[in-house]
This record gives sequence, C-alpha cells and structure tokens, in this order.
Amino acid sequence: KQEVTQIPAALSVPEGENLVLNCSFTDSAIYNLQWFRQDPGKGLTSLLLIQSSQREQTSGRLNASLDKSSGRSTLYIAASQPGDSATYLCAVRERDDKIIFGKGTRLHILP
Amino acid sequence: DTGVSQNPRHKITKRGQNVTFRCDPISEHNRLYWYRQTLGQGPEFLTYFQNEAQLEKSRLLSDRFSAERPKGSFSTLEIQRTEQGDSAMYLCASSPGTVRIPLHFGNGTRLTVT
Repeated sequence: KQEVTQIPAALSVPEGENLVLNCSFTDSAIYNLQWFRQDPGKGLTSLLLIQSSQREQTSGRLNASLDKSSGRSTLYIAASQPGDSATYLCAVRERDDKIIFGKGTRLHILP
Repeated sequence: DTGVSQNPRHKITKRGQNVTFRCDPISEHNRLYWYRQTLGQGPEFLTYFQNEAQLEKSRLLSDRFSAERPKGSFSTLEIQRTEQGDSAMYLCASSPGTVRIPLHFGNGTRLTVT
C-alpha cells in the first residue's frame, strides 16, 4: 500500500529565505508526482507536475525534483514571500491511476 | 472552460439526514476523483471513475456513501444517515486520460453535521 510522507509538518521562515519541502513515497511504481498548494478553506491548486521519467520541473521561484528510485521529491521555494504562506501537498499517481496524497506541510512566511 | 465546479460550497445538516453533493468536471476529462479532507490532514482517497465506470472504492467509503457518474459527465456523492464524523471538506478532481496533464481540483464542499 502506497504511503506518502511529508516532512516537516509545519515550517516558519523569515521572508526572503530559500526553503525546501520534502516528500517521500514507499512504492516507486508511479506515473508522476504532483505538488499542490492549498489556502485555508480552499481547494487545491496545482503547482508542478513531474513525470516518472523526469528529474525536475521549474516554474518561477519553484523547483521540484524527483528521485523515483529512492522514493523522494523536494519542492524548493526561492526568495520566499508572505504570499507563499499556505499548505503544500504532494501526491503520487499510481499505475492504476489512483492518486495518493501526503498530509502536507504548513508553511508560514514571516514578514 | 471554467474548471471543476462543486456544489454546494457549504452544507450544514443534522445528524441522521441525507446529503448529496455534485461535481462538474472539466469537459472531456474522463477521470473523476472524490476525496475527503479533515482539518490538518491531506486529502484521503474515496473513489474514482473512468467515464461512468466506478473503478475503486476506498474502505473509508462505508455503505452509507454512494457515488455515481451516470453519463460520464457530472458526478454525485451521497451520504445517508449522516454522522458527526462525516464533517469534512469533500473535494472533487478531474483529469483527462493522459497522465501528462495535472489533476484539477474544485473548491470543495464543506459539510458540517450537527
């Protein structure tokens, strides 16, 4: 059974710092891994999608990496801003098309 | 294309009542997913469809829960005899057949059972 773990569960950093969020998964037989952002009381917004054959994806200040063989992904946020405060979730898409989520990292950027 | 739409946004009901939620996916997305999310937790998989076929139901989905997607377009999630433990955000997502397109979520339906 696939298990997705996100560390840390919560993180507070001063504005302007670079930071890394971690995601690990137990079964490497996946199609892809997706990072989402969720604001309080809202749905999920897709940030980056990495296919199983890819190593990384970039969008603006965000960079996501994937090491499928070791079951790890990281989301790197450069030059953090208060508007980046949210919960960040990673999810893996399995071979049967089920998508399994981690519990998320609650990020707070201090002005 | 307006994205994934969920209705209602909020639902307050008394314990024991039945509730039904609706999800309209992005047009031509043949995959539709339902998730439940409680405070501080990630979304938990409930069930998913390819067109009108329900592919899998999680063990979280007791016999009080039923989901349908009768014409392969919109989907409904019904909870019968609601319990306070059913209080959560219910999220719907859709995707096309290719795994190269990201999963798109609606804004969810927040259920409060009193």
